[in-house]
Amino acid sequence: ETGVTQTPRHLVMGMTNKKSLKCEQHLGHNAMYWYKQSAKKPLELMFVYSLEERVENNSVPSRFSPECPNSSHLFLHLHTLQPEDSALYLCASSQDYSTEAFFGQGTRLTVV
Amino acid sequence: QKEVEQNSGPLSVPEGAIASLNCTYSDRGSQSFFWYRQYSGKSPELIMFIYSNGDKEDGRFTAQLNKASQYVSLLIRDSQPSDSATYLCAVSTNAGKSTFGDGTTLTVKP
Repeated sequence: ETGVTQTPRHLVMGMTNKKSLKCEQHLGHNAMYWYKQSAKKPLELMFVYSLEERVENNSVPSRFSPECPNSSHLFLHLHTLQPEDSALYLCASSQDYSTEAFFGQGTRLTVV
Repeated sequence: QKEVEQNSGPLSVPEGAIASLNCTYSDRGSQSFFWYRQYSGKSPELIMFIYSNGDKEDGRFTAQLNKASQYVSLLIRDSQPSDSATYLCAVSTNAGKSTFGDGTTLTVKP
């Protein structure tokens, strides 16, 4: 496989559930990102990891918990989400901070 | 003021025309500038990047950067219906701060 792969593509979860989103990149990049895109809203940067260390956290609620076990994998752990958290969650990677990002296909999350 | 502002859409052009998409940014420390295209229901894909002042051409696409004016644009020549999408301007600093604009939706009418 090449590029950035996200699983699952679609997820429906209740407000009391715990689930995880997975992202994997096969591009040899050093930086990975989580973005949230709500309907008719711009992309919101959630987390940035560089060489497996978190370097940016844009005031994201603690019900979202990222994990980067190695430079190729990134997870977003979800617990006690709210309906307003329903959105498209996009993972991206780049060689380093200032270079272009390659996006995965996203996970369409619905919280019921 | 938003950190990255794009011209409000939607933008509609006839097939074959030139589509002009504009973006301004507020952080003078910005070093890297990107244009992404996002089709409805899909993830963004990079179409152009530019780091230096001036023009950069790639096929029907031309990116223009003016750091003094804090302005970056994307021109699409000979627009095609398949160019209909939302175009996102993104700006990055060397410190790792990356910001996207709200996007401009382009419709190319046959």
